[in-house]
Amino acid sequence: DTEVTQTPKHLVMGMTNKKSLKCEQHMGHRAMYWYKQKAKKPPELMFVYSYEKLSINESVPSRFSPECPNSSLLNLHLHALQPEDSALYLCASSHWGSYEQYFGPGTRLTVT
Amino acid sequence: QKEVEQNSGPLSVPEGAIASLNCTYSDRGSQSFFWYRQYSGKSPELIMFIYSNGDKEDGRFTAQLNKASQYVSLLIRDSQPSDSATYLCAVKYTGNQFYFGTGTSLTVIP
Repeated sequence: DTEVTQTPKHLVMGMTNKKSLKCEQHMGHRAMYWYKQKAKKPPELMFVYSYEKLSINESVPSRFSPECPNSSLLNLHLHALQPEDSALYLCASSHWGSYEQYFGPGTRLTVT
Repeated sequence: QKEVEQNSGPLSVPEGAIASLNCTYSDRGSQSFFWYRQYSGKSPELIMFIYSNGDKEDGRFTAQLNKASQYVSLLIRDSQPSDSATYLCAVKYTGNQFYFGTGTSLTVIP
């Protein structure tokens, strides 16, 4: 099974809402990633988790809060977002140090 | 600063031709290099990776790496309309940090 799943596929939220994005993989990968991708732009690395510990935070605003409750799950908690945060949020996973990073299908987020 | 640059295109080639995609990177600490394909509205899909100087071939795809020139390229032979997509170059640093170029849009004309 080489699949990374993400839920929900689409999310519309207001600026005062709190919501969460979920990512799951069952490939035994111990590195998991969150990326943000705006239209016609490349994916931008947000967070890297290594063995369930946050190893990289690319200066992401605190309104984005990642969580890795176990080796298969990765969450991204959203609070007080701005309309400019509307984007495709991609989760990926890999073995630590591996060359192959697998992406999930993404969550299309719209902030109104 | 970790910059990855690509010609944004669009690049158009006729069916059956060779498509050549280029990427340069700024940081000599770069460890390995990747080519992803992304169809509109979909997530990136890994095509190839390369970490040693020279060429690496996989089917119709050849990746070329020149670390001295900080340059990596992707050749697609016998291009097919289904190859029409955005091709993203990515560079990996220590700590599993991946940085992506802006992508090159490729259109293969039947």
